[in-house]
Amino acid sequence: EVQLLESGGGLVQPGGSLRLSCAASGITFYNYAMSWVRQTPGKGLEWVSSISGSGGSTDYADSVKGRFTISRDNSKNTLYLQVNSLRAGDAAVYYCAKGNVALLVGGNYFDYWGQGTLVTVSS
Amino acid sequence: EIVLTQSPGTLSLSPGERATLSCRASQSVSSNYLAWYEQKPGQAPRLLIYGASSRATGIPDRFSGSGSGTDFTLTISRLESEDFAVYYCQQYGSSPWTFGQGTKVEIK
Repeated sequence: EVQLLESGGGLVQPGGSLRLSCAASGITFYNYAMSWVRQTPGKGLEWVSSISGSGGSTDYADSVKGRFTISRDNSKNTLYLQVNSLRAGDAAVYYCAKGNVALLVGGNYFDYWGQGTLVTVSS
Repeated sequence: EIVLTQSPGTLSLSPGERATLSCRASQSVSSNYLAWYEQKPGQAPRLLIYGASSRATGIPDRFSGSGSGTDFTLTISRLESEDFAVYYCQQYGSSPWTFGQGTKVEIK
């Protein structure tokens, strides 16, 4: 059974930082690209970032480029998202999602999702 | 960026009725790389359909997807009580991967 378990969310002040983690089980982790998708009541679902199975390729939404960094440790079956310079608009539930292939190419849909971790940005 | 517009915003139907949800793209979706997800309150999205018309593992056959290019449809042939939820379309043909704003299917 595929399981994705996010952690690391919490309350942070504007301009602050967090590191989100997603522990995967039930899959051969390095065989799949992984992504972060966030959800707010006002803006719905928004893709944030993706990383290839090897970790050699990454992609970011323009809204987070330069502030967020995606990475993975295939020896630990864990995905990360370093979020810096947080803004009010970054407040959301952050989901990790598994891709169906290893490469960051078109055709890579999200077939499994974690339960999400909540990031709140407030002073 | 491909903008996906879903309609209607809310669909009020009774169990046993047919639901037809629309997703329109601002430009053609590459290779019909269009997915549909279901989300219930407090839960993560669940993949229903990929490639515009292929059902994901374990999805009942009352769910079907169709369409190509810029116009896509999700049909639920006979609504069951557990199908009342929010449905999102998503294109994964070109980055940035984008989602529609969702259609809520509610009990009439």
